[in-house]
Amino acid sequence: GAGVSQSPRYKVAKRGQDVALRCDPISGHVSLFWYQQALGQGPEFLTYFQNEAQLDKSGLPSDRFFAERPEGSVSTLKIQRTQQEDSAVYLCASSSRHKSNTGELFFGEGSRLTVL
Amino acid sequence: AQTVTQSQPEMSVQEAETVTLSCTYDTSESDYYLFWYKQPPSRQMILVIRQEAYKQQNATENRFSVNFQKAAKSFSLKISDSQLGDAAMYFCAYRSAREENSGNTPLVFGKGTRLSVIA
Repeated sequence: GAGVSQSPRYKVAKRGQDVALRCDPISGHVSLFWYQQALGQGPEFLTYFQNEAQLDKSGLPSDRFFAERPEGSVSTLKIQRTQQEDSAVYLCASSSRHKSNTGELFFGEGSRLTVL
Repeated sequence: AQTVTQSQPEMSVQEAETVTLSCTYDTSESDYYLFWYKQPPSRQMILVIRQEAYKQQNATENRFSVNFQKAAKSFSLKISDSQLGDAAMYFCAYRSAREENSGNTPLVFGKGTRLSVIA
């Protein structure tokens, strides 16, 4: 597609519910990143993929967070048993593998999660 | 681990004037990239300017330029002839130049500076 697409843009969940956030990266982009951005803060790294391989998940806050990219394209970030502290904007970004590029990340508009 | 520090939570500038946003970073690597991203209220991050650490010349993009001081690990952004549309959050970010599995490593972001432009 033309850009990184994320859905839903807004999600309200009751505490304890499971949520799934989807990211559709730019076609052909090898690298896919998930970030969590709390209100008024900078994005914090969660996890990233090269194709279908999850290379680093050190930023995931707890084992309630799980991400996958089974076919190396669309990715889903799943949060189980949501808590109020999970309320944030979840940003997805992708980048190409071309060695000449400087690693610019192209971002989606984010999914704002509010846990009541 | 690399860290990025933006010491100015908020800045303001008069329309048509110049403003400089500060950024410092910490790394033990010698080869890396630095970026400034803009995030308007719509939330979508937009790349403003990038700098390769191996280049001594400061990057410029129209009204945006950087002052890259590698020894001091400083990377400030200068916005000239400020416009109302420049009002946004600005994030400084760092990326290692090393590759993993032929792909890119994640960006490390600062906490941001909120820029207001006064008409």
